[in-house]
Amino acid sequence: EIVLTQSPATLSVSPGERATLSCRASQSVASNLAWYQQKPGQAPRLLMYGTSTRGTGIPSRFRGSGSGTEFTLTISSLQSEDFAVYYCLHYSNWPLYTFGQGTKLEIK
Amino acid sequence: QVQLIQSEAEVKKPGASVKVSCKVSGYTLTELSLHWVRQAPGKGLEWMGSFDPEDAKTINAQNFQGRVTMTEDTSTDTGYMELSNLRSEDTAVYYCATVRQYLLWYWGQGTQVTVSS
Repeated sequence: EIVLTQSPATLSVSPGERATLSCRASQSVASNLAWYQQKPGQAPRLLMYGTSTRGTGIPSRFRGSGSGTEFTLTISSLQSEDFAVYYCLHYSNWPLYTFGQGTKLEIK
Repeated sequence: QVQLIQSEAEVKKPGASVKVSCKVSGYTLTELSLHWVRQAPGKGLEWMGSFDPEDAKTINAQNFQGRVTMTEDTSTDTGYMELSNLRSEDTAVYYCATVRQYLLWYWGQGTQVTVSS
């Protein structure tokens, strides 16, 4: 089973600054990596898939990169609505899924 | 646009079973693949499994082997997730989600299940 490890667990960043979130896979998932955003009391929302393709309505300040085992979600110029928990997900063994444990992005 | 409406919150005693429903609209269930994800309080997302209509079986994560059953009623476009032998650690919000391009794309609003004696 492929394990996804996200870092850091919590990231404190000021509004307007850039945030960099990491997701590492225990073995290659090729480009089959997605990112989700979850706000308190809400269902997760798809941000990014295929490593770097933004989901519907996702602003361009969100950028995904990486391949194989190392992936990054970069959010440039953080807005107040971006503070949330972010999860990576691999789907290289579809229909089986595995989530990372999440990174909480909080206001500094 | 797919919409998923889940059943109301449940409170169950340890050892009991719970059955959560997920009503699909905008598409028919035969056009979709329905999956289930749960989230314990203050914890991350955990994929539970899905229903495979080709052989009418549950595909589930190892953590739930033998305890979870997923079914579908195509006449009402409703999917079901039943978890048996409940324990306190099963207290969580349970989500249904449909797949598009291999991804969990559309999500239900979540159903709170509380296990308490």
